[in-house]
Amino acid sequence: EDQVTQSPEALRLQEGESSSLNCSYTVSGLRGLFWYRQDPGKGPEFLFTLYSAGEEKEKERLKATLTKKESFLHITAPKPEDSATYLCAASSGSARQLTFGSGTQLTVLP
Amino acid sequence: DAGVTQSPTHLIKTRGQQVTLRCSPKSGHDTVSWYQQALGQGPQFIFQYYEEEERQRGNFPDRFSGHQFPNYSSELNVNALLLGDSALYLCASSMDNEQYFGPGTRLTVT
Repeated sequence: EDQVTQSPEALRLQEGESSSLNCSYTVSGLRGLFWYRQDPGKGPEFLFTLYSAGEEKEKERLKATLTKKESFLHITAPKPEDSATYLCAASSGSARQLTFGSGTQLTVLP
Repeated sequence: DAGVTQSPTHLIKTRGQQVTLRCSPKSGHDTVSWYQQALGQGPQFIFQYYEEEERQRGNFPDRFSGHQFPNYSSELNVNALLLGDSALYLCASSMDNEQYFGPGTRLTVT
């Protein structure tokens, strides 16, 4: 059974204080590793897809990386508007559904 | 380009009743997936529809059923509602691997 675990559960940063969120996954034959941002009461917003170990993708202050067992979401010089819950999900083999972690709730203080 | 839309936004039902939620996919997408998200948790996969057929199903009871129409829109039906069915119900549409989510329907069962 596919499993995705995210850490930490919650993270508070000062504006400008860079950090990383972790996503560990156990799947049979990774098809894709996905990162989403979710604001309270709203649907997840797609950020990145990573397909193979060593791959990196960037968008503004966010950079996602992938190894054979983990993915990291690096946040450089965050701003208060980056505050949200960040969700990691994996799809594997012939399965088409996404298996999600429980998310990391990020708060960036001004 | 309209993204994924869902209706209604909020819904309050009584235990034992039945509910129907609706989803219109992003333009050009032919696959619709449904997820249930409890407070503080990641989304859990319910099922996926493609070419008007249920292609894959998660670990949810038969009380949860769905339908996809020729225009690719979809419905989620839940019968015999339980208090534990209270959650945010998310619809996601896709063409290939990447799933794009709608804003969700908040269902409260009293």
